[in-house]
Amino acid sequence: KNQVEQSPQSLIILEGKNCTLQCNYTVSPFSNLRWYKQDTGRGPVSLTIMTFSENTKSNGRYTATLDADTKQSSLHITASQLSDSASYICVVSDVGDMRFGAGTRLTVKP
Amino acid sequence: NAGVTQTPKFQVLKTGQSMTLQCAQDMNHNSMYWYRQDPGMGLRLIYYSASEGTTDKGEVPNGYNVSRLNKREFSLRLESAAPSQTSVYFCASSVYRPTDTEAFFGQGTRLTVV
Repeated sequence: KNQVEQSPQSLIILEGKNCTLQCNYTVSPFSNLRWYKQDTGRGPVSLTIMTFSENTKSNGRYTATLDADTKQSSLHITASQLSDSASYICVVSDVGDMRFGAGTRLTVKP
Repeated sequence: NAGVTQTPKFQVLKTGQSMTLQCAQDMNHNSMYWYRQDPGMGLRLIYYSASEGTTDKGEVPNGYNVSRLNKREFSLRLESAAPSQTSVYFCASSVYRPTDTEAFFGQGTRLTVV
């Protein structure tokens, strides 16, 4: 069983709408959690990083939350744009390794 | 400002053929990684190199070998390709391990084994 589960697998929204992507993990011990954006045909690029003590972190229209007690994270995208169409990957690190979720494929339509 | 460069971008192999995927980074990072990405699955670590001169197996090392040629370059070799190795391969680098530093990824190599 994957130690990092993401939902939904895919999501289609209209341009300008908001959306929230979920990440649940069982990785232990916990070091940090990153959200990566992967455009089609490209490698993943880091959006945010969260450590154990952080609850919320924003990067422009992207806001990540972390609940270390329930081992859940979310990525909220505000006022979506066509360029937000991509896969979003949750990556949870223990002390030495990165554990990757399968990603959520987001499609933003005009 | 190239970052992590992988070659080739696409490759088709016949079963049993061999090939080497090349990766180079220009960020003076110590650690380098090779991952494979399959549909519906997260990236899985094949091999990593914590520093020049060292390599270690990851989650799915069978059928692969690696060489850390110098600090910049980390190559992945398939000695006898199999259809199960059809995948997208990503090379990544980071300043050092443990992974509290950001990993930077190459553009990927899409490999098809027929």
